[in-house]
Amino acid sequence: DIQMTQSPSSLSASVGDRVTITCRASQSISTYLNWYQQEPGKAPNLLIYAASSLQSGVPSRFSGSGYGTDFTLTISSLQPEDFATYYCQQSFTTPRTFGPGTKVDVK
Amino acid sequence: QVQLVQSGAEVKKPGASVKVSCKASGYTFTTYYIHWVRQAPGQGLEWMGIINPSGESTSHAQKFQGRVTMTRDTSTSTVYMELSSLRSEDTAVYYCARESPQNRGYSLHYWGQGTLVTVSS
Repeated sequence: DIQMTQSPSSLSASVGDRVTITCRASQSISTYLNWYQQEPGKAPNLLIYAASSLQSGVPSRFSGSGYGTDFTLTISSLQPEDFATYYCQQSFTTPRTFGPGTKVDVK
Repeated sequence: QVQLVQSGAEVKKPGASVKVSCKASGYTFTTYYIHWVRQAPGQGLEWMGIINPSGESTSHAQKFQGRVTMTRDTSTSTVYMELSSLRSEDTAVYYCARESPQNRGYSLHYWGQGTLVTVSS
């Protein structure tokens, strides 16, 4: 199975901050990497697919990059509605493993 | 619009089985694979398995081997996930999600609202 790791596991930030979350796969997954945002009590929401493509309706302050094993999600200017948990997921092969998540909270 | 509507919350005793449904609408049911993902209280997302609604082929995570069964009913556009031999660690919210095609990275765009399954004696 492909193992996914994320760092940091949590971070504290302020509105307007630039936030970067890293995701690493245990083997190459090309660009089969997706990012989800989840608020408490809600289903996950797709932000980025195929490593760098912005899902329709998602604000442009979110961006993704990477290839192979190392990927990054960046929020260019954190907004109040962005305080949530973020998960990466590989869609290269089954089992379609998720990263453990990164919780972004208020500094 | 695409919708995935799941069945309601369940309370089960250890050793019992639970069957969660996911009714799809707003698209051609047999075109897109459906995934099952669960989330234990305070924990992360855990991928459980996938079903092809067209041919009913399935694949699941090894940890659920022998305990999970995924089926579909094309007449009602509904996918089912049954988990047997329940234990307390299976207490979680269970989600179904629709897979997007390859040009969208096989991502999970549409999600059901989640079904809370509580396993308690």
